[in-house]
Amino acid sequence: AQSVTQLGSHVSVSEGALVLLRCNYSSSVPPYLFWYVQYPNQGLQLLLKYTTGATLVKGINGFEAEFKKSETSFHLTKPSAHMSDAAEYFCAVKPARGNNRLAFGKGNQVVVIP
Amino acid sequence: DAGVTQSPTHLIKTRGQQVTLRCSPKSGHDTVSWYQQALGQGPQFIFQYYEEEERQRGNFPDRFSGHQFPNYSSELNVNALLLGDSALYLCASSLNRNTEAFFGQGTRLTVV
Repeated sequence: AQSVTQLGSHVSVSEGALVLLRCNYSSSVPPYLFWYVQYPNQGLQLLLKYTTGATLVKGINGFEAEFKKSETSFHLTKPSAHMSDAAEYFCAVKPARGNNRLAFGKGNQVVVIP
Repeated sequence: DAGVTQSPTHLIKTRGQQVTLRCSPKSGHDTVSWYQQALGQGPQFIFQYYEEEERQRGNFPDRFSGHQFPNYSSELNVNALLLGDSALYLCASSLNRNTEAFFGQGTRLTVV
């Protein structure tokens, strides 16, 4: 079984400051890891994913995340926040083999302060 | 490419009624998964359809059922609606069950 923990439901960040969203996962098999963004009244858009290979992955809109197996973490960062980054962010995990069933965290609502 | 499309976008139902939500997958995709996202929560997996059969199911009661058609489109049916069924229902499609899932915009269901 897989599960994801995202702490701190609301995250406030100043425009131009570092964005850091933490994600820890639990998985009985090698995982694939994902970050999705959701804007108000919309579906989920994939920001980035880790499957195999390089543990530092770059995504859209300047976001990146690093897979750390020893820490069972996949934290999301962006060096400089923009107003347009205000949204809800979800970390998700699925097994590397077997099925395409995603397990999501509860999400982080990011507020960008001008 | 139209991506994943869902209909309707919003609907309001009364407790005890039945509802059907529809999903057309991204072109070339053959697998459809449904998720329920309650307010302030992450999406929860309901079930997945592949080759017109339910292949996996999450922790949802039998009131939730589905169907996949030969053209890969899918329906989610919920019977005997409860207030707690109010949520955003998301459809995701993929190829061969193991590739990246693409999500639709969702259907916002309100049960009153």
